[in-house]
Amino acid sequence: DTGVSQDPRHKITKRGQNVTFRCDPISEHNRLYWYRQTLGQGPEFLTYFQNEAQLEKSRLLSDRFSAERPKGSFSTLEIQRTEQGDSAMYLCASSEKGGGSGRVRETQYFGPGTRLLVL
Amino acid sequence: AQKVTQAQTEISVVEKEDVTLDCVYETRDTTYYLFWYKQPPSGELVFLIRRNSFDEQNEISGRYSWNFQKSTSSFNFTITASQVVDSAVYFCALWPRNLIFGKGTKLSVKP
Repeated sequence: DTGVSQDPRHKITKRGQNVTFRCDPISEHNRLYWYRQTLGQGPEFLTYFQNEAQLEKSRLLSDRFSAERPKGSFSTLEIQRTEQGDSAMYLCASSEKGGGSGRVRETQYFGPGTRLLVL
Repeated sequence: AQKVTQAQTEISVVEKEDVTLDCVYETRDTTYYLFWYKQPPSGELVFLIRRNSFDEQNEISGRYSWNFQKSTSSFNFTITASQVVDSAVYFCALWPRNLIFGKGTKLSVKP
């Protein structure tokens, strides 16, 4: 029974470049969330999928950000034309409406995050 | 407005001391969940507990206990007989639809 995985764990890029992160949720989870966490702050919600449908997007998700979950399984988060202010930890979480597998229903379980540094 | 306030930015204790982490929340929803997560230096958020708004029973799990008081909109977390491995940042979060996190409390437990 594996948890949420994210790839890569670390990414260093130059300003203006595009980056893409991947998240693989817990296999039976139909909900997937992206958060951003900057130093000394709590995570902030970016967007949320139920199966392949993107149901909500935060105002934080500017038009340079796009997220997909094409088959309702893994998800990608792409940042175009990165800026130094995009430097942060990007966290993915998953949950399911029902219970099972010893986990608490409607509870988000987080992956290890992708730490992005934009130079 | 939905908001979570963790007034304690950092707490430092010596091993075996008890420590309480405070959490105050604001919401107009009548149905909501409250959570505590632990974030060790590795960075991964670890789920600790969930409480729904209709269940004000306090909960104890080993050295951890939680005190939910709707009257004061608080959901405090106590670690009894703290250990060095408890050193981490602890986040309280509110869920009306998506998780709203506080800024976290950094707990340092010294040997």
